[in-house]
Amino acid sequence: AQSVAQPEDQVNVAEGNPLTVKCTYSVSGNPYLFWYVQYPNRGLQFLLKYITGDNLVKGSYGFEAEFNKSQTSFHLKKPSALVSDSALYFCAVRDGTGYALNFGKGTSLLVTP
Amino acid sequence: SQTIHQWPATLVQPVGSPLSLECTVEGTSNPNLYWYRQAAGRGLQLLFYSVGIGQISSEVPQNLSASRPQDRQFILSSKKLLLSDSGFYLCAWSLGLPSSYEQYFGPGTRLTVT
Repeated sequence: AQSVAQPEDQVNVAEGNPLTVKCTYSVSGNPYLFWYVQYPNRGLQFLLKYITGDNLVKGSYGFEAEFNKSQTSFHLKKPSALVSDSALYFCAVRDGTGYALNFGKGTSLLVTP
Repeated sequence: SQTIHQWPATLVQPVGSPLSLECTVEGTSNPNLYWYRQAAGRGLQLLFYSVGIGQISSEVPQNLSASRPQDRQFILSSKKLLLSDSGFYLCAWSLGLPSSYEQYFGPGTRLTVT
């Protein structure tokens, strides 16, 4: 079985500070990992993915994520948070054998001015 | 570029009434299509996916069904809605194999069953 865990329901960051949203995964094979962002009453927007290669993946809107195989983690990061980054963030995993993405429960990010 | 449409955007239906939600994708051919439900603004549950016309896989037994009458059209239906069917329904598409492809989501339909 494949799954992801997002241990924090909410993350609070001051504007201009770095942010990290945590995700750990569990798969039986090689993981395909994804981050999505959702604004209120909207669909999910794809931010970035890790398939293979460099452990640091760069994505949209200045976000990046670091893949750590030994810690089975894929944390989302941004060097300098913006108020407009406030949203719900989802981590997702697929093990390469199926079509479905398994999503975490989401982390609400609040960036304060 | 590819776009995905869902309608209606919002829907209020009484218990026991039928349901039909539609999703269409433009700008690509033979996409994989997916229906998700999001309850209480958080976790997403995969309901159905389709890898081709007439091919539907169900992930969770429930009161809902799905159909794919055309290559880029995906429909979610119910004969009789339950209160527990309320939620935010999201359609998504992805390219075919390999499975490393990301999914792209539509704007969603907010369904309230009263």
